[in-house]
Amino acid sequence: AQSVAQPEDQVNVAEGNPLTVKCTYSVSGNPYLFWYVQYPNRGLQFLLKYITGDNLVKGSYGFEAEFNKSQTSFHLKKPSALVSDSALYFCAVRGVDSGAGSYQLTFGKGTKLSVIP
Amino acid sequence: EAEVAQSPRYKITEKSQAVAFWCDPISGHATLYWYRQILGQGPELLVQFQDESVVDDSQLPKDRFSAERLKGVDSTLKIQPAELGDSAMYLCASSLEGLTDTQYFGPGTRLTVL
Repeated sequence: AQSVAQPEDQVNVAEGNPLTVKCTYSVSGNPYLFWYVQYPNRGLQFLLKYITGDNLVKGSYGFEAEFNKSQTSFHLKKPSALVSDSALYFCAVRGVDSGAGSYQLTFGKGTKLSVIP
Repeated sequence: EAEVAQSPRYKITEKSQAVAFWCDPISGHATLYWYRQILGQGPELLVQFQDESVVDDSQLPKDRFSAERLKGVDSTLKIQPAELGDSAMYLCASSLEGLTDTQYFGPGTRLTVL
């Protein structure tokens, strides 16, 4: 079965500093990887995805993520954090484990990012 | 920018009552999903529709939950009877048809069962 691990429940970073939110995954076959952000009492907002090709993926609001096949990781990064980046971040994976026709995303438990002014 | 619409945004009900949630996907999106998100956890898929057909409902508690997408556009998720453990955020998402297509989420319905 496919799974996602986000090892840090919370990440604190000072405004202006680089940030990293970690994600590792387990899936059969080629992984399709996604990052979403969630603000309080809101739905999930898509940031970026890796399907194939360049291991460094650029997304919305200055975020990027690096796919590392050997380490089965897909860490989210941003060169300079903003206070407005404070939110809950979810990594998700989809693979062939989902079953015929199923496009189920398997999510991690989320990482709360706090950017300190 | 097109968005997934959901209503109501908040619902408070007593246990054993029936509740229903509505979702209108992004126009042209053939695939529609209902997820449940318990506080402190990531969303988990309840049901996936391709047009009006159910593709995956393996994690839907069918004794009390039902979902329909009669005309292949909007969808309704129902719980009857509601139980205390059903308190959660119910999220609807939609996507185009492919395996690699992005799922776009609505704002969710926060359900509280008393």
